[in-house]
Amino acid sequence: DIQMTQSPSSVSASVGDRVTITCRASQGISSWLAWYQQKPGKAPKLLIYAASSLQSGVPSRFSGSGSGTDFTLTISSLQPEDFATYYCQQANSFPWTFGQGTKLEIK
Amino acid sequence: EVQLVESGGGLVQPGRSLRLSCAASGFTFDDYAMHWVRQAPGKGLEWVSGISWNSGSIGYADSVKGRFTISRDNAKNSLYLQMNSLRAEDTALYYCAKDNGAIFGVVTNFDYWGQGTLVTVSS
Repeated sequence: DIQMTQSPSSVSASVGDRVTITCRASQGISSWLAWYQQKPGKAPKLLIYAASSLQSGVPSRFSGSGSGTDFTLTISSLQPEDFATYYCQQANSFPWTFGQGTKLEIK
Repeated sequence: EVQLVESGGGLVQPGRSLRLSCAASGFTFDDYAMHWVRQAPGKGLEWVSGISWNSGSIGYADSVKGRFTISRDNAKNSLYLQMNSLRAEDTALYYCAKDNGAIFGVVTNFDYWGQGTLVTVSS
């Protein structure tokens, strides 16, 4: 199975900050990576697929990049509603695996 | 509007069985593969099982293989998960999730999720 490792596990930031979260795959997955946002008590929401494609309805302050084994999710200017936990997921090969999550907290 | 509504969760003793259901609406159900993804309390996401649009291709995580069975009824726009020989480590919120494509086993993103149904395995 492909292991997905996110860093950091948690990060504190302020409204307006630029934040970057990293995800590393244990083997190459081309560009087949997705990012999800999960707020407390809610289901995950797909933000980005194919490493850099924005899901319909997701604000443009979210962006993704990377290929192979190293990927990043960037939020260009944090908004209050962005404080949540973020997960990466490899979409390259079965079984589909997720990173352990990165909790984005208000500073 | 895509809606996925799970049901069937509850408290069950170790070794017993439970059947989860997911009612889908707002999209052409038989055009897409579907999945179950779980989340243990306070933990991350774990993919459990998936099924192609026509039930022709199915897969399971090693942790549930041989104990869980996924199925779907396209006439009823419904997805199911039969869970047998339940263990304490199966305790989790179980989400029904829509695939972005029809075929199981190819590039897969989960583009819509239900709100989940809680399964608690305890004596």
